[in-house]
Amino acid sequence: AQKITQTQPGMFVQEKEAVTLDCTYDTSDQSYGLFWYKQPSSGEMIFLIYQGSYDEQNATEGRYSLNFQKARKSANLVISASQLGDSAMYFCAMILSGTYKYIFGTGTRLKVLA
Amino acid sequence: NAGVMQNPRHLVRRRGQEARLRCSPMKGHSHVYWYRQLPEEGLKFMVYLQKENIIDESGMPKERFSAEFPKEGPSILRIQQVVRGDSAAYFCASSNSGGAGDTQYFGPGTRLTVL
Repeated sequence: AQKITQTQPGMFVQEKEAVTLDCTYDTSDQSYGLFWYKQPSSGEMIFLIYQGSYDEQNATEGRYSLNFQKARKSANLVISASQLGDSAMYFCAMILSGTYKYIFGTGTRLKVLA
Repeated sequence: NAGVMQNPRHLVRRRGQEARLRCSPMKGHSHVYWYRQLPEEGLKFMVYLQKENIIDESGMPKERFSAEFPKEGPSILRIQQVVRGDSAAYFCASSNSGGAGDTQYFGPGTRLTVL
C-alpha cells in the first residue's frame, strides 16, 4: 500500500541555520510525484516544492530544496537560512501517476528559535 | 489572481444539524478535490469532482456526506446530521487538470466544530 512516513513530529532550529525535514515513501509504482506543503498556524496549506520521480535533478525553490534519493525512497525537505516565519507544520505528500489523490504524511512541526 | 476560496472559514454546528462548506476553485481550474484533516493528522482524500461530475468519492463516508460541483457556482460539501466526530478541518484544492504531477492548490480550509 502507498504510504508517506514523516518520523519527526517536532523539530527545532536556530534562526539562520539550515534544517532537514525527513520524508520516506512507499510505493511500487515507478511514476509518481512528491510534494511538500507548509501549514502555518493560520491553517492554510501552502505549496512549497514538487519533485517528479523521473526528474534527475533535485528540485529547488528559493530557500527550499528537495533531497530526492530514489533508491532509498526518501524526499527530504531542506530549508536553508531558517527564518522565524518558517515556524509551521510541514507535510510531505505523494501522488501516483494516473491518480489524483494526494497521500499525506502526518507532518512535522518546525519551530525556529530566535 | 485569486487563489482557491473557501467559506466559511469557521463553522459551528450542533449535533444533528447540517453543515454546508463551499469552495471556489482558482480561475481556470475545473478539477476540485476535498480533503479532511483530523486534529494532529495529515489530510485524507475524500472526493474528486469535475464540473457536474463526481469522478471519485472513495474517501467519502457512505452516509451523511455528499458533494457537488454544479455548472455554475462553487463546489459544495454537505454533511447531514453532523456528529462530534465530524469536527475537523476540511480543505478544498483545485488543479488545472487531473493528472499526477499537476499541482493541487489548496484553499484556506473550513474548520468545522460540532458541539
